[in-house]
Amino acid sequence: DIQMIQSPSSLSASVGDRVTITCRASQSITTYLSWYQQKPGEAPKVLIYAASSLQSGVPSKFSGSGSGTDFTLTISSLQPEDFATYYCQQSSRTPYTFGQGTKLEIK
Amino acid sequence: QVQLVESGGGVVQPGRSLRLSCAASGFTFSNYAMHWVRQAPGKGLEWVAVISFDGSNRYYTDSVKGRFTISRDNSNSMLYLEMNSLRGEDTAVYYCARVGTDGYNYFHYWGQGTLVTVSS
Repeated sequence: DIQMIQSPSSLSASVGDRVTITCRASQSITTYLSWYQQKPGEAPKVLIYAASSLQSGVPSKFSGSGSGTDFTLTISSLQPEDFATYYCQQSSRTPYTFGQGTKLEIK
Repeated sequence: QVQLVESGGGVVQPGRSLRLSCAASGFTFSNYAMHWVRQAPGKGLEWVAVISFDGSNRYYTDSVKGRFTISRDNSNSMLYLEMNSLRGEDTAVYYCARVGTDGYNYFHYWGQGTLVTVSS
Protein backbone atom coordinates (compact mmCIF):
# COMPACT_ATOMS: atom_id res chain seq x y z
CA ASP A 1 0.00 0.00 0.00
CA ILE A 2 1.09 3.57 -0.62
CA GLN A 3 1.61 5.49 2.61
CA MET A 4 0.88 9.21 2.70
CA ILE A 5 2.73 11.23 5.33
CA GLN A 6 1.49 14.73 6.00
CA SER A 7 3.29 17.37 7.98
CA PRO A 8 2.75 19.07 10.22
CA SER A 9 -0.05 17.28 12.07
CA SER A 10 -1.15 20.60 13.49
CA LEU A 11 -0.39 24.18 12.67
CA SER A 12 -1.15 27.41 14.47
CA ALA A 13 -1.35 30.55 12.35
CA SER A 14 -2.84 34.02 12.34
CA VAL A 15 -5.37 35.64 10.04
CA GLY A 16 -3.49 36.99 7.04
CA ASP A 17 -0.66 34.44 7.25
CA ARG A 18 0.48 32.18 4.46
CA VAL A 19 0.92 28.51 5.36
CA THR A 20 2.25 25.42 3.64
CA ILE A 21 1.34 21.80 4.31
CA THR A 22 3.41 18.99 2.87
CA CYS A 23 2.52 15.46 1.88
CA ARG A 24 4.97 12.72 0.99
CA ALA A 25 4.06 9.46 -0.72
CA SER A 26 5.95 6.24 -0.03
CA GLN A 27 6.32 5.68 -3.77
CA SER A 28 5.73 7.69 -6.90
CA ILE A 29 2.13 8.64 -7.55
CA THR A 30 2.99 11.01 -10.44
CA THR A 31 0.29 13.69 -9.99
CA TYR A 32 -2.55 11.52 -8.63
CA LEU A 33 -2.77 13.68 -5.53
CA SER A 34 -5.68 15.68 -4.21
CA TRP A 35 -6.23 17.95 -1.21
CA TYR A 36 -9.39 18.21 0.87
CA GLN A 37 -10.62 20.63 3.49
CA GLN A 38 -12.89 19.39 6.26
CA LYS A 39 -14.69 21.43 8.87
CA PRO A 40 -16.24 19.87 12.00
CA GLY A 41 -19.47 18.04 11.28
CA GLU A 42 -19.13 18.43 7.52
CA ALA A 43 -18.10 16.20 4.66
CA PRO A 44 -14.69 16.88 3.12
CA LYS A 45 -14.47 19.28 0.20
CA VAL A 46 -11.97 18.92 -2.61
CA LEU A 47 -9.67 21.90 -3.10
CA ILE A 48 -6.97 20.64 -5.45
CA TYR A 49 -6.80 17.60 -7.73
CA ALA A 50 -4.10 16.30 -10.06
CA ALA A 51 -1.60 17.85 -7.62
CA SER A 52 -2.05 21.41 -8.85
CA SER A 53 -5.46 21.83 -10.48
CA LEU A 54 -7.78 24.11 -8.57
CA GLN A 55 -11.28 22.70 -8.22
CA SER A 56 -13.91 24.97 -9.76
CA GLY A 57 -15.31 27.40 -7.22
CA VAL A 58 -12.34 27.15 -4.86
CA PRO A 59 -10.59 30.46 -4.17
CA SER A 60 -7.23 30.98 -5.84
CA LYS A 61 -5.65 31.50 -2.41
CA PHE A 62 -5.32 27.71 -2.41
CA SER A 63 -2.57 26.27 -4.55
CA GLY A 64 -0.92 22.89 -4.91
CA SER A 65 2.35 21.72 -6.34
CA GLY A 66 4.54 18.67 -6.66
CA SER A 67 4.84 15.41 -8.51
CA GLY A 68 6.25 11.98 -7.86
CA THR A 69 6.45 11.69 -4.07
CA ASP A 70 6.53 15.23 -2.68
CA PHE A 71 3.61 17.63 -2.67
CA THR A 72 2.59 20.87 -1.03
CA LEU A 73 -0.62 22.75 -0.36
CA THR A 74 -0.22 26.48 0.17
CA ILE A 75 -2.90 28.74 1.57
CA SER A 76 -2.30 32.45 1.32
CA SER A 77 -3.86 35.26 3.31
CA LEU A 78 -5.60 33.06 5.87
CA GLN A 79 -9.14 34.01 6.76
CA PRO A 80 -11.23 32.70 9.67
CA GLU A 81 -13.11 30.30 7.38
CA ASP A 82 -9.85 28.61 6.39
CA PHE A 83 -9.22 27.17 9.83
CA ALA A 84 -10.07 23.52 9.35
CA THR A 85 -8.41 20.14 8.86
CA TYR A 86 -6.69 19.40 5.57
CA TYR A 87 -6.02 15.98 4.05
CA CYS A 88 -4.00 14.81 1.10
CA GLN A 89 -5.04 11.68 -0.76
CA GLN A 90 -3.45 9.56 -3.46
CA SER A 91 -5.54 8.00 -6.21
CA SER A 92 -2.74 6.36 -8.16
CA ARG A 93 -3.68 2.86 -7.04
CA THR A 94 -5.97 1.17 -4.58
CA PRO A 95 -6.20 1.39 -1.64
CA TYR A 96 -6.65 5.13 -2.15
CA THR A 97 -4.87 6.29 0.99
CA PHE A 98 -5.20 9.58 2.83
CA GLY A 99 -2.67 11.47 4.85
CA GLN A 100 -3.35 11.64 8.57
CA GLY A 101 -4.54 15.23 8.34
CA THR A 102 -3.28 18.67 9.32
CA LYS A 103 -5.35 20.67 11.76
CA LEU A 104 -4.99 24.37 11.07
CA GLU A 105 -5.82 26.43 14.13
CA ILE A 106 -6.02 30.12 14.85
CA LYS A 107 -3.10 31.51 16.84
CA GLN B 1 -27.10 19.54 -9.06
CA VAL B 2 -25.26 16.44 -7.89
CA GLN B 3 -26.66 15.00 -4.72
CA LEU B 4 -25.59 11.97 -2.71
CA VAL B 5 -27.71 10.93 0.26
CA GLU B 6 -26.59 8.11 2.54
CA SER B 7 -28.89 6.15 4.81
CA GLY B 8 -28.95 2.97 6.82
CA GLY B 9 -26.60 3.84 9.65
CA GLY B 10 -27.37 3.10 13.27
CA VAL B 11 -26.29 1.17 16.33
CA VAL B 12 -25.50 -2.49 15.77
CA GLN B 13 -23.98 -5.18 17.96
CA PRO B 14 -20.56 -6.64 17.18
CA GLY B 15 -20.80 -9.53 14.75
CA ARG B 16 -24.06 -8.34 13.24
CA SER B 17 -24.75 -6.91 9.80
CA LEU B 18 -25.89 -3.60 8.35
CA ARG B 19 -26.53 -2.33 4.84
CA LEU B 20 -25.82 1.26 3.90
CA SER B 21 -27.44 2.93 0.91
CA CYS B 22 -26.50 5.98 -1.09
CA ALA B 23 -29.10 7.60 -3.35
CA ALA B 24 -27.55 9.53 -6.21
CA SER B 25 -29.17 12.22 -8.33
CA GLY B 26 -28.25 15.07 -10.63
CA PHE B 27 -25.90 13.08 -12.87
CA THR B 28 -25.81 9.94 -14.99
CA PHE B 29 -25.01 7.47 -12.22
CA SER B 30 -24.07 4.63 -14.56
CA ASN B 31 -21.17 6.66 -15.98
CA TYR B 32 -19.16 6.94 -12.75
CA ALA B 33 -17.19 4.78 -10.37
CA MET B 34 -18.39 5.22 -6.80
CA HIS B 35 -16.60 4.97 -3.49
CA TRP B 36 -17.22 4.55 0.21
CA VAL B 37 -14.98 6.47 2.62
CA ARG B 38 -15.26 6.36 6.40
CA GLN B 39 -14.15 8.42 9.35
CA ALA B 40 -13.97 7.08 12.88
CA PRO B 41 -14.92 9.57 15.61
CA GLY B 42 -12.17 12.15 15.99
CA LYS B 43 -9.97 10.38 13.43
CA GLY B 44 -8.90 10.85 9.84
CA LEU B 45 -10.40 9.72 6.58
CA GLU B 46 -10.12 6.11 5.44
CA TRP B 47 -10.98 4.86 1.98
CA VAL B 48 -13.13 1.72 2.18
CA ALA B 49 -14.15 0.48 -1.25
CA VAL B 50 -14.74 1.34 -4.90
CA ILE B 51 -16.99 -0.10 -7.57
CA SER B 52 -16.57 0.58 -11.26
CA PHE B 53 -19.24 2.32 -13.31
CA ASP B 54 -20.75 -0.99 -14.46
CA GLY B 55 -20.12 -2.96 -11.29
CA SER B 56 -17.63 -5.30 -12.94
CA ASN B 57 -14.70 -4.30 -10.71
CA ARG B 58 -14.62 -3.85 -6.96
CA TYR B 59 -11.73 -3.14 -4.61
CA TYR B 60 -11.57 -2.96 -0.84
CA THR B 61 -9.23 -1.85 1.88
CA ASP B 62 -7.67 -4.86 3.59
CA SER B 63 -9.46 -4.40 6.91
CA VAL B 64 -12.91 -4.97 5.33
CA LYS B 65 -12.10 -7.60 2.71
CA GLY B 66 -14.32 -10.63 3.10
CA ARG B 67 -16.71 -8.75 5.41
CA PHE B 68 -17.97 -5.80 3.33
CA THR B 69 -19.49 -5.88 -0.16
CA ILE B 70 -19.96 -2.83 -2.35
CA SER B 71 -22.66 -3.00 -5.00
CA ARG B 72 -24.76 -0.74 -7.17
CA ASP B 73 -28.09 -0.58 -8.96
CA ASN B 74 -27.64 1.62 -12.00
CA SER B 75 -31.30 1.47 -12.95
CA ASN B 76 -32.20 3.18 -9.67
CA SER B 77 -29.02 5.24 -9.14
CA MET B 78 -28.24 3.51 -5.87
CA LEU B 79 -24.96 2.52 -4.23
CA TYR B 80 -24.79 0.03 -1.38
CA LEU B 81 -22.37 -1.20 1.23
CA GLU B 82 -23.25 -4.51 2.85
CA MET B 83 -21.33 -4.81 6.10
CA ASN B 84 -21.10 -8.18 7.85
CA SER B 85 -19.28 -9.38 10.96
CA LEU B 86 -19.09 -5.83 12.22
CA ARG B 87 -16.42 -4.88 14.74
CA GLY B 88 -15.93 -1.98 17.11
CA GLU B 89 -13.30 -0.54 14.81
CA ASP B 90 -15.90 -0.22 12.05
CA THR B 91 -17.60 2.53 14.07
CA ALA B 92 -17.45 5.59 11.84
CA VAL B 93 -19.30 8.04 9.67
CA TYR B 94 -19.58 6.45 6.23
CA TYR B 95 -19.58 8.70 3.19
CA CYS B 96 -20.35 7.79 -0.38
CA ALA B 97 -18.39 9.76 -2.93
CA ARG B 98 -18.35 10.26 -6.67
CA VAL B 99 -15.18 10.77 -8.64
CA GLY B 100 -14.48 13.79 -10.79
CA THR B 101 -14.51 13.81 -14.57
CA ASP B 102 -10.83 14.41 -15.21
CA GLY B 103 -9.60 10.86 -14.84
CA TYR B 104 -7.70 11.46 -11.61
CA ASN B 105 -10.09 9.50 -9.38
CA TYR B 106 -10.39 12.25 -6.80
CA PHE B 107 -13.55 12.53 -4.73
CA HIS B 108 -15.45 15.43 -6.23
CA TYR B 109 -18.82 14.97 -4.59
CA TRP B 110 -19.58 13.63 -1.12
CA GLY B 111 -22.73 12.75 0.72
CA GLN B 112 -23.44 14.06 4.20
CA GLY B 113 -22.48 10.75 5.78
CA THR B 114 -24.28 8.19 7.90
CA LEU B 115 -23.04 7.13 11.33
CA VAL B 116 -22.49 3.47 12.12
CA THR B 117 -21.90 2.60 15.75
CA VAL B 118 -20.85 -0.94 16.60
CA SER B 119 -21.44 -1.56 20.27
CA SER B 120 -22.98 -4.10 22.57
